[in-house]
Amino acid sequence: GAVVSQHPSWVICKSGTSVKIECRSLDFQATTMFWYRQFPKQSLMLMATSNEGSKATYEQGVEKDKFLINHASLTLSTLTVTSAHPEDSSFYICSARDPGTGRETQYFGPGTRLLVL
Amino acid sequence: SQQGEEDPQALSIQEGENATMNCSYKTSINNLQWYRQNSGRGLVHLILIRSNEREKHSGRLRVTLDTSKKSSSLLITASRAADTASYFCATDYNTNAGKSTFGDGTTLTVKP
Repeated sequence: GAVVSQHPSWVICKSGTSVKIECRSLDFQATTMFWYRQFPKQSLMLMATSNEGSKATYEQGVEKDKFLINHASLTLSTLTVTSAHPEDSSFYICSARDPGTGRETQYFGPGTRLLVL
Repeated sequence: SQQGEEDPQALSIQEGENATMNCSYKTSINNLQWYRQNSGRGLVHLILIRSNEREKHSGRLRVTLDTSKKSSSLLITASRAADTASYFCATDYNTNAGKSTFGDGTTLTVKP
């Protein structure tokens, strides 16, 4: 089946620094990827939809200037948490749909755990 | 109000027993999907059921969908300790957008 990877798997940073998370579709091209955030013992909350070659679409309440998304190619989307603060500590998960199998099934990356000190 | 609410929030059973989790949603959907998440890991897609389907099976999994009640259930038969995980339903109410809305999840513990 389709595989999505994320890098890094975990990161610890100081408050005020920026952190970049990569999401790659390894065996298919994804024109659309999704970024989710999950706090402990909670569900996934969609942050934004990453569109290849165009601007990302952000969900209500998500600051686009704080969470920069770049979908530079059909296999790579990046999420940059700018000027990270402790409240940004969370589990960030990306997903992508394989156009070859239709738009219905999302394939999720393994997630990136961010801890901001 | 939230799309995709699940119950129970937590379920603890003995190995060999069946586990049933329910998901309710509020608006019309194109399809509903169930995912599994082991602690601190990504999501694994389990099964997709379309709005015109009523039941689907995959191994020990059985999913039902009742669009009149806007609800779905996931049944895991003959549970195993390895089934211990969180289970989420996700609804696609606008396939063109490709977005899914996740429920709160059910944490299943299967005791050996």
